[in-house]
Amino acid sequence: DSGVTQTPKHLITATGQRVTLRCSPRSGDLSVYWYQQSLDQGLQFLIQYYNGEERAKGNILERFSAQQFPDLHSELNLSSLELGDSALYFCASSVAALASGRNEQFFGPGTRLTVL
Amino acid sequence: DAKTTQPPSMDCAEGRAANLPCNHSTISGNEYVYWYRQIHSQGPQYIIHGLKNNETNEMASLIITEDRKSSTLILPHATLRDTAVYYCIVRVEADSNYQLIWGAGTKLIIKP
Repeated sequence: DSGVTQTPKHLITATGQRVTLRCSPRSGDLSVYWYQQSLDQGLQFLIQYYNGEERAKGNILERFSAQQFPDLHSELNLSSLELGDSALYFCASSVAALASGRNEQFFGPGTRLTVL
Repeated sequence: DAKTTQPPSMDCAEGRAANLPCNHSTISGNEYVYWYRQIHSQGPQYIIHGLKNNETNEMASLIITEDRKSSTLILPHATLRDTAVYYCIVRVEADSNYQLIWGAGTKLIIKP
């Protein structure tokens, strides 16, 4: 158990809909990262937040957005869903955002999104 | 784009050492090499990381070549539970921040 929690575990929805994925980081971790993993692919970095502020953006679509709240939990919002958005979505957390020291990312169990 | 190249799959006998190679020929001097593994669609698990020197922890050893263009992850006594996809990742720095650039990984199968 990494200490990172994600809800829901599974989500099935229809094209055109909007969903929200939730992530709670490990206690004490200020940085949250979101990743997308399509079937049999590596992880694609989407976005990172540090202590409530957006820190880095990866290959995140304009239909997707995220935020990190004062209690440090984060939400990933996916709108106008398409079939191709079906994937595993992982959240990870780390102590800091700065490129120093150990600072490995701890991953949650993921949310499996299926768009029909 | 990923900065690492790994074989897509490997087999290893249970109880033997599993040696997973990774090429990162374009790595910069301050970029770390990280290894994670992912067991059957679970969240990836951190294994080890290094910059220049070889590293060892309770899970594995990391051997980095002197020119830093390649590295090898060693699982000393592989068990069936080590069957997973292993990702070799370069940590890229940008504006005092960093990102992990993930490739496709190596699917390691431990055979009885």
